[in-house]
Amino acid sequence: DTAVSQTPKYLVTQMGNDKSIKCEQNLGHDTMYWYKQDSKKFLKIMFSYNNKELIINETVPNRFSPKSPDKAHLNLHINSLELGDSAVYFCASSQDQQGARGHGYTFGSGTRLTVV
Amino acid sequence: GNSVTQMEGPVTLSEEAFLTINCTYTATGYPSLFWYVQYPGEGLQLLLKATKADDKGSNKGFEATYRKETTSFHLEKGSVQVSDSAVYFCALSRPGTGRRALTFGSGTRLQVQP
Repeated sequence: DTAVSQTPKYLVTQMGNDKSIKCEQNLGHDTMYWYKQDSKKFLKIMFSYNNKELIINETVPNRFSPKSPDKAHLNLHINSLELGDSAVYFCASSQDQQGARGHGYTFGSGTRLTVV
Repeated sequence: GNSVTQMEGPVTLSEEAFLTINCTYTATGYPSLFWYVQYPGEGLQLLLKATKADDKGSNKGFEATYRKETTSFHLEKGSVQVSDSAVYFCALSRPGTGRRALTFGSGTRLQVQP
């Protein structure tokens, strides 16, 4: 299946821990993104990579570090997790940097992170 | 800056009712406009899009027309079904090159009752 896949789907961890979320797309897209969705469903862009180059780095604590080993993968590492990091994190990809051409963005199914 | 404003939900309708979810935007130039849908427990899926003024996007019985004069992109469906229950997001993409991502509205939850 052609898709954007994220792992894990659920992640429950204690404050202060370090965790990673992995994302892979097999659509041949050049651009990948991480979005954070809060409890009110608001979506906020965190990072974007185009062909392994960081192109968007919004105001996000530096405890969050994206890594793109190749254009099909964009992982998110979070250090020293805090209660406020609890959210659903979505990975997405697009053919171009705005997703305006083709089929827009393709989203993964999300990773629900709960920090206790 | 760019922004998208959607009507607050939840919107609760009976099956076969007419649906309108309002969306207005603020952007420079001529953005592309999108509606995405998020079913429970899933990621967002592109529902429809329009890339220039007066374009009408349509899919699965949903429609939205790009109105530059009113900076709006309202989502409509003539007869909703229970299976349409989801959260709907309006989004825009600024034209041109550069470092930008889609800007999303806050989402509108639709609940359709049998």
